[in-house]
Amino acid sequence: ETGVTQTPRHLVMGMTNKKSLKCEQHLGHNAMYWYKQSAKKPLELMFVYSLEERVENNSVPSRFSPECPNSSHLFLHLHTLQPEDSALYLCASSAGADFGANVLTFGAGSRLTVL
Amino acid sequence: GQNIDQPTEMTATEGAIVQINCTYQTSGFNGLFWYQQHAGEAPTFLSYNVLDGLEEKGRFSSFLSRSKGYSYLLLKELQMKDSASYLCAANEDQTGANNLFFGTGTRLTVIP
Repeated sequence: ETGVTQTPRHLVMGMTNKKSLKCEQHLGHNAMYWYKQSAKKPLELMFVYSLEERVENNSVPSRFSPECPNSSHLFLHLHTLQPEDSALYLCASSAGADFGANVLTFGAGSRLTVL
Repeated sequence: GQNIDQPTEMTATEGAIVQINCTYQTSGFNGLFWYQQHAGEAPTFLSYNVLDGLEEKGRFSSFLSRSKGYSYLLLKELQMKDSASYLCAANEDQTGANNLFFGTGTRLTVIP
């Protein structure tokens, strides 16, 4: 248990479905992140939130929509996804997005399969 | 922009020493991280270097040369549980927000 909890751990959805991934951190951190991890590719930063404000949107398609209602919770809303969006989606948190030693604490990830 | 390179796979023997190399090219470099990720689990923080030199933490050590854009992770007295992927990540300071850019990871297999 890292202190960052992601649900669901596994999700299978069709291209026309709408689903959401949830992340919750119990570490008192101020920044939260979404990363995408695909096989044989580097972890890709998708979104960064600092004190509930989005500070980074790394050219992510609009079919991915993040929401950060408070500093402990982060959602990734999914709609009309493509099969190539199948991947492991990792949530992370850190003490602050503008700290030099920006140590990330990751959740175990949500494995998404798009049919 | 950023470019992080590390070997895809390595194999080493239990009890031995292994060195995993990482080269990086980034703008606004602000430190180098190593993470460990076991299959199906969250990546976990191992080490952070921002100044040149060696940082030692038990069986694991990490080295950084900023002028060469080079780092390595050294694992001593290898144990079977060290079989995992090791992720190198460069911290890039962009518009006040630090962002980590990862390599593809090195999958280490420790054999008896």
